[in-house]
Amino acid sequence: KAGVTQTPRYLIKTRGQQVTLSCSPISGHRSVSWYQQTPGQGLQFLFEYFSETQRNKGNFPGRFSGRQFSNSRSEMNVSTLELGDSALYLCASSLQGYFTEAFFGQGTRLTVV
Amino acid sequence: AQTVTQSQPEMSVQEAETVTLSCTYDTSESDYYLFWYKQPPSRQMILVIRQEAYKQQNATENRFSVNFQKAAKSFSLKISDSQLGDAAMYFCADGGSQGNLIFGKGTKLSVKP
Repeated sequence: KAGVTQTPRYLIKTRGQQVTLSCSPISGHRSVSWYQQTPGQGLQFLFEYFSETQRNKGNFPGRFSGRQFSNSRSEMNVSTLELGDSALYLCASSLQGYFTEAFFGQGTRLTVV
Repeated sequence: AQTVTQSQPEMSVQEAETVTLSCTYDTSESDYYLFWYKQPPSRQMILVIRQEAYKQQNATENRFSVNFQKAAKSFSLKISDSQLGDAAMYFCADGGSQGNLIFGKGTKLSVKP
């Protein structure tokens, strides 16, 4: 069974640009969550999608958005990039989201210069 | 708000010895799951062990076991017969009904040969 796949693995962008990250969950998993990991703030929840609907959202500005497709693949978008958006973005998939363990991808390392 | 606290930023253990990583959590939910994740230098989060809050029996996975004290809201991880490959960041996480995981700041475990 293939694991969670995130693309790209590494990304360098300039301030003000926008970026789209992709996540393909484990087959059969309908929940996809996104997390931002930084040395200062640790792991912070961005949002969770289940069956193409955003069910839960963390405390991030509106520049961070996401969506989920009918095949459960998910994308997250960050517009008007700021230096502080430099982070490791992790995607996690699970069967139903709550009360089930999440399986993580290898992450996308985003650097904003 | 839910919080997870890991009071040991760094720990060190001798190979083949036993080490215990501490975690406390604060949740108002009656039903929740607790997890320990390992993050090696590759950055991929790997599930180590999970505990359902309604189960009194402590979870065990090979060399990994937990000491779950529900009344004290404590969830420590014991690693027996430590191996060099156990060296990593370990994150304690609380998963409830909101569909997201609340992570602690992590404990960096070093294993000395």
